[in-house]
Amino acid sequence: GEQVEQLPSILRVQEGSSASINCSYEDSASNYFPWYKQEPGENPKLIIDIRSNMERKQIQELIVLLDKKAKRFSLHITDTQPGDSAMYFCAASLPGYQNFYFGKGTSLTVIP
Amino acid sequence: GPKVLQIPSHQIIDMGQMVTLNCDPVSNHLYFYWYKQILGQQMEFLVNFYNGKVMEKSKLFKDQFSVERPDGSYFTLKIQPTALEDSAVYFCASSLGQNTEVFFGKGTRLTVV
Repeated sequence: GEQVEQLPSILRVQEGSSASINCSYEDSASNYFPWYKQEPGENPKLIIDIRSNMERKQIQELIVLLDKKAKRFSLHITDTQPGDSAMYFCAASLPGYQNFYFGKGTSLTVIP
Repeated sequence: GPKVLQIPSHQIIDMGQMVTLNCDPVSNHLYFYWYKQILGQQMEFLVNFYNGKVMEKSKLFKDQFSVERPDGSYFTLKIQPTALEDSAVYFCASSLGQNTEVFFGKGTRLTVV
């Protein structure tokens, strides 16, 4: 199956600054890349995703970039707020069923 | 928003016993998934289920595992017999279609002692 690496595992940023999380994958056939946010005791929630026919997608302060040649994708949170503090997981899936291959997660802390 | 409910949130079971993890997926969803997360590791795909059948499963989906959704009720993961290495958080997920948003539950923490 696919393998997804996610870095960093821990990220601390000052409120108002940007946070970046990077992921890489192995299988060039992967075509869908969601990002999930999980707060303590809660379920992982989809915050943004990108398909392989795009290179960039933005939803408000969230930006995802996809570099298919390098097999890398990244999440950038601009103007971070304390409410952005959570675990973030990247994932990749191959065509067909949406079986996700997850990264190990990034624990983001936004310091007020 | 749509919710996937998992019951119970934590279950402790003696090694060798059977356990059934229950998932109440989003009501109109058609695709169902189970993931396993060992402490400190990533969530790993176990199995997906559509139209009453397992469509794909991973190497982690051992012979002791089974899934079903009798009469459109709970989507269940049964482990029989349990082993110590089955201790993990099990996440259930569902989606309406193959290319629609996948919703996750909060997970059931299974501890095999």
